[in-house]
Amino acid sequence: SRVLTQPPSVSVAPGKAATITCGGNNVGSKSVHWYQQKPGQAPVLVIYYDKDRPSGIPERFSGSNSGNTATLTISRVEAGDEADYFCQVWDSSTDRPVFGGGTKLTVL
Amino acid sequence: QVQLVESGGGVVQPGMSLRLSCAASGFTFSSYGIHWVRQAAGKGLEWVALISFDGSKESYADSVKGRFTVSRDNSKNTVYLQINSLGVEDTAVYYCAKKPGVGYFDLWGRGTLVTVSP
Repeated sequence: SRVLTQPPSVSVAPGKAATITCGGNNVGSKSVHWYQQKPGQAPVLVIYYDKDRPSGIPERFSGSNSGNTATLTISRVEAGDEADYFCQVWDSSTDRPVFGGGTKLTVL
Repeated sequence: QVQLVESGGGVVQPGMSLRLSCAASGFTFSSYGIHWVRQAAGKGLEWVALISFDGSKESYADSVKGRFTVSRDNSKNTVYLQINSLGVEDTAVYYCAKKPGVGYFDLWGRGTLVTVSP
């Protein structure tokens, strides 16, 4: 079983906000990173350190992390945001990354 | 152009070997650790292995330990993943990814597909 739990799918209408969660025991004490993966493409970092955006990522992408849940929010969703989204933390005890199972975002 | 490009995948029979390559360009390759992450069709991301910036440290997932070996040639800006004793469970797209010293990956390659089929 995975340490990080994500809903398998989230659906949202264009122009609305999408919320994707990443649950884990006291995940708020760790830094959570988020990747977007479109079909047939490599993952792309969209949020790092819970809420920071790499250059080139739209401001519509935001993140938060507290308690047992980290959240990726995509405001004003567009058709081009349809993709799989993965959360990730670093396990310092094993010095390895841990990925969530991924969430498929469908834009209705 | 800042990029990672994987190659070397293919269709092989169980028990055979492959060597995957990850060629880097556009950044100071010798300053960064490189990781391999794989993804079976329709599945999530699975971390496979890492090699430190200077090659002095390697680490492997339990599922591949003893069968996979990661190495690098900083003079060629390339990381290699030697995969031996392939099983059907190793069928996946293999990505290499750059880790900028802290806990996330800021650059991924497009992946190379390894298919293990009898």
